[in-house]
Amino acid sequence: GAVVSQHPSRVICKSGTSVKIECRSLDFQATTMFWYRQFPKKSLMLMATSNEGSKATYEQGVEKDKFLINHASLTLSTLTVTSAHPEDSSFYICSAKGQGGRDGTEAFFGQGTRLTVV
Amino acid sequence: AQKITQTQPGMFVQEKEAVTLDCTYDTSDQSYGLFWYKQPSSGEMIFLIYQGSYDEQNATEGRYSLNFQKARKSANLVISASQLGDSAMYFCAMRVFNAGKSTFGDGTTLTVKP
Repeated sequence: GAVVSQHPSRVICKSGTSVKIECRSLDFQATTMFWYRQFPKKSLMLMATSNEGSKATYEQGVEKDKFLINHASLTLSTLTVTSAHPEDSSFYICSAKGQGGRDGTEAFFGQGTRLTVV
Repeated sequence: AQKITQTQPGMFVQEKEAVTLDCTYDTSDQSYGLFWYKQPSSGEMIFLIYQGSYDEQNATEGRYSLNFQKARKSANLVISASQLGDSAMYFCAMRVFNAGKSTFGDGTTLTVKP
């Protein structure tokens, strides 16, 4: 099956620094990628949707200047948490969807990144 | 807007027994897919099973089956012959066709007892 690779799986950074998380589709072209945030023992909350070559669409309440999303190619999307603060500590997970095939089938998820800001 | 409701925050099941995890959904769209994912403590989201809104038969994947009742807007997951490795958080999700993004329920933590 399709594979989505997310890197890094864990990162600890100092408050005020920026962190970049990568999401790669390994064997298909991901026309759309989604970034989610998950708090402990909570559900996934969609942060933004990115389509290759265009600006990301952010969900209400998500600061686009803080969570920079770039989807420059059909196999790579990045999420950069800028000027990170302890409240940004969370589990971030991406999913990728290609075109073609039966729509409605699952988007493929990365392994997730656990960000801790100290 | 879509909404997924999982009413069971936590469930316990004895090893080798079957367990049903509840999921109800709300949408005005006619074309959609329903999914179940497993999230172990490692965090990765593992796709388990899919049911399309036009599928007449309930989906099955090994020990997983989806009890789809369209009129009731429910999509319960049944795990047969539970194993210790099934202990994890389980999420029900919905995706409207051509939309791509998923709406997730709050999840159910399943604990399998030896």
